[in-house]
Amino acid sequence: QQQVKQSPQSLIVQKGGISIINCAYENTAFDYFPWYQQFPGKGPALLIAIRPDVSEKKEGRFTISFNKSAKQFSLHIMDSQPGDSATYFCAATRRSSASKIIFGSGTRLSIRP
Amino acid sequence: DVKVTQSSRYLVKRTGEKVFLECVQDMDHENMFWYRQDPGLGLRLIYFSYDVKMKEKGDIPEGYSVSREKKERFSLILESASTNQTSMYLCASSLPALGANYGYTFGSGTRLTVV
Repeated sequence: QQQVKQSPQSLIVQKGGISIINCAYENTAFDYFPWYQQFPGKGPALLIAIRPDVSEKKEGRFTISFNKSAKQFSLHIMDSQPGDSATYFCAATRRSSASKIIFGSGTRLSIRP
Repeated sequence: DVKVTQSSRYLVKRTGEKVFLECVQDMDHENMFWYRQDPGLGLRLIYFSYDVKMKEKGDIPEGYSVSREKKERFSLILESASTNQTSMYLCASSLPALGANYGYTFGSGTRLTVV
């Protein structure tokens, strides 16, 4: 019940295309769903986060879609650029308890020029 | 620029050695964490601390211990290093609660190889 399942494990997208990464969770007590972006040689950094009271959140070319009934959420990267090539982690936790974010297994995204 | 600093970028240690990984944050965060990152397994929590001298086990604490004597410093200790502890180790810190624009701040990681 504590797992966050992420797919695909790796993804190759042409420049200008849409990158889509999917995640699913089990624990209905989770109320905070962040995405982290990690470039080679760096630690993960917070990219965007959503709460379950909204179905979509957009920041620039990055959009999180959230389906509470299905317990699924996804990251869409519009107009994907080579600079977006990185590993992406979805995650879930309770906002009031920052002690244990549960991370997905990660998606290695490569954007082909 | 706020920062989480891990003392070593790369480490090579021998089996059976006691290994110390150090982490310092300058954001006055209450929470600090140690994760290990392995391909296909994502980020797995080893230990976390929500206050000085306080610690709690994460999902994979076996073979590790931690120390937090000061708020800004969180150390991970491998009591007797083994080859299956070869991994990337990431330290992170956070405020007690999370929000849209503030989450965990990670260090750049320490790649530990045990031979």
